[in-house]
Amino acid sequence: DIQMTQSPSTLSASVGDRVTITCRASQSISSWLAWYQQKPGKAPKLLIYKASSLESGVPSRFSGSGSGTEFTLTISSLQPDDFATYYCQQYNSYLITFGQGTRLEIK
Amino acid sequence: QVQLVQSGAEVKKPGASVKVSCKASGYTFTSYGISWVRQAPGQGLEWMGWISAYNGNTNYAQKLQGRVTMTTDTSTSTAYMELRSLRSDDTAVYYCARPQGPYAEGAFDIWGQGTMVTVSS
Repeated sequence: DIQMTQSPSTLSASVGDRVTITCRASQSISSWLAWYQQKPGKAPKLLIYKASSLESGVPSRFSGSGSGTEFTLTISSLQPDDFATYYCQQYNSYLITFGQGTRLEIK
Repeated sequence: QVQLVQSGAEVKKPGASVKVSCKASGYTFTSYGISWVRQAPGQGLEWMGWISAYNGNTNYAQKLQGRVTMTTDTSTSTAYMELRSLRSDDTAVYYCARPQGPYAEGAFDIWGQGTMVTVSS
């Protein structure tokens, strides 16, 4: 199986900050990567697919980049609603795997 | 609107089985598959497997092979996930999710609300 490693595990930031979360794959996954946001007690929400495509309805302050084995999710200016846990997911293989998650907390 | 609605919470004893349903609406059910993802309390997301609603083909996570069965009923646009020989570490919220296309490989753009399954003696 393809292993996905996110960093950092926890990130403390303030409203208005620019933040970046990294996801590394154990082998090349081309651009077959998605990012999700999850809030407590809720299902994950798709933010980015195919590494850099913004899902409909997602604010433009979210962006994704990367290909191969290294990917990033950037939030350009943090809003109060953005404090949540973020997961990457690879779908290069039908054996889907997720990163372990990055908890974004208020500083 | 496009949505997936799951069945309610379950409490099971170790060794029992559970069957969770996921009813789709707002789209052509057989044009997509359904994946199942679980999340243990305080933990991350774990993909369990996928089923094609078109032809019933399945892919299961290796660690669940032999204990999980995914099925669909196209007459009611409903997907099912059955997990057998339950253990305490199967306690989790179980989600169904729709990949963006007809194959297993896809980002999940629609999610069910989740079903809490508690395994306890």
